[in-house]
Amino acid sequence: GAVVSQHPSWVICKSGTSVKIECRSLDFQATTMFWYRQFPKQSLMLMATSNEGSKATYEQGVEKDKFLINHASLTLSTLTVTSAHPEDSSFYICSGAKNIQYFGAGTRLSVL
Amino acid sequence: SQQGEEDPQALSIQEGENATMNCSYKTSINNLQWYRQNSGRGLVHLILIRSNEREKHSGRLRVTLDTSKKSSSLLITASRAADTASYFCATGFGNEKLTFGTGTRLTIIP
Repeated sequence: GAVVSQHPSWVICKSGTSVKIECRSLDFQATTMFWYRQFPKQSLMLMATSNEGSKATYEQGVEKDKFLINHASLTLSTLTVTSAHPEDSSFYICSGAKNIQYFGAGTRLSVL
Repeated sequence: SQQGEEDPQALSIQEGENATMNCSYKTSINNLQWYRQNSGRGLVHLILIRSNEREKHSGRLRVTLDTSKKSSSLLITASRAADTASYFCATGFGNEKLTFGTGTRLTIIP
């Protein structure tokens, strides 16, 4: 199957700082990438749909100014959590779409 | 919001036994997929079943789909310790956004 690489796998940051998470499709071009958030022992909740070369589409209740998404190429999408606060601590997962969705390994964000 | 509910929420069985988990969804679908998630990791695609299919097999996995009841089941036969994970059903396909079920946490006891 296709491979999606997500980096970093774990990040700890101070409250008020910004954190960037990268999602790369390694062996296919992903015109569409998705960003999910997952709380412990819960399912994945879609945050936004990222389309190459255009603005991301955010799900209801997700602050677009808080979670900045950039999809500048067919193989890279980034999620920047701006001015992170402890309540932003979560597991963030990206996926790239090629017939089915291939998921990155996830990023665990801990905001102190 | 979640598309559907999964049942049971958690399941513990002895190694070698079969594990069955169920998924119900709310809206009409073109297909349904099952994913596995190991603790703290991303999701791995297991199997896709189309709305015109009733049953599909892949190795030790068997998936059924009943569109009249808006439900699907995943059967894992001859379970192994490595099958310990969370399992999610999802609706949507390709470039469409996926909507996940609530998930079943499966624990295989050696």
